[in-house]
Amino acid sequence: GAVVSQHPSRVICKSGTSVKIECRSLDFQATTMFWYRQFPKQSLMLMATSNEGSKATYEQGVEKDKFLINHASLTLSTLTVTSAHPEDSSFYICSARPAGGLGDTQYFGPGTRLTVL
Amino acid sequence: RKEVEQDPGPFNVPEGATVAFNCTYSNSASQSFFWYRQDCRKEPKLLMSVYSSGNEDGRFTAQLNRASQYISLLIRDSKLSDSATYLCVVNRDTGRRALTFGSGTRLQVQP
Repeated sequence: GAVVSQHPSRVICKSGTSVKIECRSLDFQATTMFWYRQFPKQSLMLMATSNEGSKATYEQGVEKDKFLINHASLTLSTLTVTSAHPEDSSFYICSARPAGGLGDTQYFGPGTRLTVL
Repeated sequence: RKEVEQDPGPFNVPEGATVAFNCTYSNSASQSFFWYRQDCRKEPKLLMSVYSSGNEDGRFTAQLNRASQYISLLIRDSKLSDSATYLCVVNRDTGRRALTFGSGTRLQVQP
């Protein structure tokens, strides 16, 4: 089946640093990847839609200058949390939609747990 | 009002029991519907899509009522391994095909 990886799986950083999270589709090409954030006991919230070769589409309330998204190839999207603060601590999950895929099937990465001290 | 609403639970049921979860969605233009399962501190995994005619996959039955904007999931003969949070998911739009997640219903199956 389709596999999506994320790296790192867990990161702890100091306030003010930037953190880059990678999302890779390992055995398929993905023209579209999605970035979600999940706070404890809450649902996944879509942050942005990442399109290969074009600018990401951000959801309302998500700062594009703080959460930088780069989708440079059909198998890789990166999310950089710039100048991270404790309130950015969360579970970040990406998903990838296969190019030419039917319907709304998305494959999720295992998530990255970010803790900002 | 949330786009997708679910009873958070928890539902505590004995092994072998039948349990049903319900979900309502607010966007009448939604076209695709799913149930995902999420284990603690893990990513969500697709359990099944939900079709207008209703569909079944083993012990799991999903139903959709478009008129009422209501989705259900029935689990028969519950197993300990069914313990998880069940997420009701609808597509946001037919363009970007982003998904909107409910906050989930927690199920705990007890021996």
